[in-house]
Amino acid sequence: IQLTQSPSSLSASVGDRVTITCRASQGISSYLAWYQQKPGKAPKLLIYAASTLQSGVPSRFSGSGSGTDFTLTISSLQPEDFATYYCQQLNSYPSITFGQGTRLEIK
Amino acid sequence: EVQLVESGGGLVQPGGSLRLSCAASGFTFSSYDMHWVRQATGKGLEWVSAIGTAGDPYYPGSVKGRFTISRENAKNSLYLQMNSLRAGDTAVYYCAREGYVDTAMGRYYYMDVWGKGTTVTVSS
Repeated sequence: IQLTQSPSSLSASVGDRVTITCRASQGISSYLAWYQQKPGKAPKLLIYAASTLQSGVPSRFSGSGSGTDFTLTISSLQPEDFATYYCQQLNSYPSITFGQGTRLEIK
Repeated sequence: EVQLVESGGGLVQPGGSLRLSCAASGFTFSSYDMHWVRQATGKGLEWVSAIGTAGDPYYPGSVKGRFTISRENAKNSLYLQMNSLRAGDTAVYYCAREGYVDTAMGRYYYMDVWGKGTTVTVSS
């Protein structure tokens, strides 16, 4: 199962609302997670089961979707949110795949 | 504190071998499935292997037959034996803990704890 994220990169300003899309090559129900990764750091789990916020993650992050189309939304960008975001499918568990990543940069 | 610490990375020649380790602490290691995920410089994340609590291993085609994942619950440790290494295996290797939640719709998995990674460089 392949995951395609769009856009590959994005420039935005603090306070903006941002949406990142992840499309699966076949239906994966809600078996999708989102991760945030900052340079030189390990990925951090944000959302699992497509829309469930991981404990401790700010509520400005939200996820939606089912089947083949998913979105990660950041309602009001904060300076610490500039990072690369990855989606991950676990439908064909334990064979797992990640999207290619979306780099979120400061405008 | 829940923690994963990888070690064992380094420089190895093409065709060589390397064994990575991941030390777990702060949780009941034996109760969790575990994964290795790698990331080449400037590239995305790639799943490398997984192991169940019973020791059942899983691999993608890119490493099957060359990499072996194992665990030693008594030592709270995860391992990755890498043989026949290629330049394309050069990456930061992360170990990650797998969590899951059971709902009426099914069991949903995720990777909720990650180590800081260890760097493997395959070069002559």
